[in-house]
This record gives sequence, C-alpha cells and structure tokens, in this order.
Amino acid sequence: QKEVEQNSGPLSVPEGAIASLNCTYSDRVSQSFFWYRQYSGKSPELIMSIYSNGDKEDGRFTAQLNKASQYVSLLIRDSQPSDSATYLCAGFDSGGGADGLTFGKGTHLIIQP
Amino acid sequence: DVKVTQSSRYLVKRTGEKVFLECVQDMDHENMFWYRQDPGLGLRLIYFSYDVKMKEKGDIPEGYSVSREKKERFSLILESASTNQTSMYLCASSLTGFIYEQYFGPGTRLTVT
Repeated sequence: QKEVEQNSGPLSVPEGAIASLNCTYSDRVSQSFFWYRQYSGKSPELIMSIYSNGDKEDGRFTAQLNKASQYVSLLIRDSQPSDSATYLCAGFDSGGGADGLTFGKGTHLIIQP
Repeated sequence: DVKVTQSSRYLVKRTGEKVFLECVQDMDHENMFWYRQDPGLGLRLIYFSYDVKMKEKGDIPEGYSVSREKKERFSLILESASTNQTSMYLCASSLTGFIYEQYFGPGTRLTVT
C-alpha cells in the first residue's frame, strides 16, 4: 500500500451541496495531516491541518481524522464553483527524514453551477 | 504571512544547459524542499535541507543537485538539462516538527527543448 492514497476523481458535486474528499494512509504516515488546494497551473495552498482524532472546522471546511481506521477526510459545505480544484492530502512521514510530508496524488473536484 | 518566492515562473532551456532554480523564504524556516510535479505522478520530492549546508536526497535526486549556503535560500541545479526534466518545480519550506505545515512557492514551469 502506498503511504497516502486518494481517489483521483473527478468528483462532481452540484453547487451548494457538500463535497466529501477522502484519503487513506499507511502505518508509516501518522500524527499530522494536511489538506492542500491546488488550482490548475498554480502551487498547492494549505487549507486545513489536523493532528488528533475527530473533527476540526474552519468556515465551510471540516477535516476529519480517524486513526483507528487510518483515514482522513475533508468536507466542503455549501460548495461553490470557486472550490473546483485538485485537493491534495498529505501526512507526516515518520519514516522519512527532516519532517517530510508524504502527499497523495490528489482528487480533482468539480463544482457544477 | 509566510512567503516563499521562486526566481522564475516560466523558464525555457535547451538540452545540455546547466539550469539554476532559486527559492527564498522569509520566515526563518529550518526546512526547505524541492519537488517536481507531473500529471498523474503527483508531487515527488527531489531534495530537502534541514539546515544550512545540509542536504538529503529525496525520492528522485538523479540529475539534480542542491545548494543551501544561507538559511533563507535553497537552490536546485540541473547539471545538464534533459527533456525528461520538463516539469513544474515547486519549492516549499517549514519549521521543524510534525505539527508544522509546508508552505509552497508559486512554482517554476521549466521546459527543456
């Protein structure tokens, strides 16, 4: 199993609905997780971080972490066309060096007006 | 706000040329990273550095070298550019510790002809 896995999509969600993005991880990745948003041709932009089990909310975004099941998710409420982007999940790689993050390949999200 | 800047947004070089990509961060971060991003392959770590003059190979170091003479600056060098090094190059920086996010620069789109 790769360290961080995401469904590549595209995931199509109607405007105003909840978009749910999921990520699973292996034992080597632990402790902290990050969600990045990347628009086409741009660099990744950090939108959420989560370190402990449960939910963390920030505006329309909620990150969820379940360490027992080894998954982390991102919910986007009231989805807007401007949320259309690729979302990268990243986990702290305890087996790597120098505080490296292991990234998933990303899920392409499309919000349909 | 953390700011990571990269020397060029777009660069076109010829095969065999020596190419320098520079990255500067203004937040006194210990760690700096160079990634390349290609469609379908995600982000791949080339090199990272956790201190001045210190460097570690990432997943795909072949054909690249790095230099970190000052804490705020991390350079990526393509010794002899080849067409398979055409890619988006992303620099990132972070503090030390699993709770700290990586912040990305705007990226350099390099084309080798």
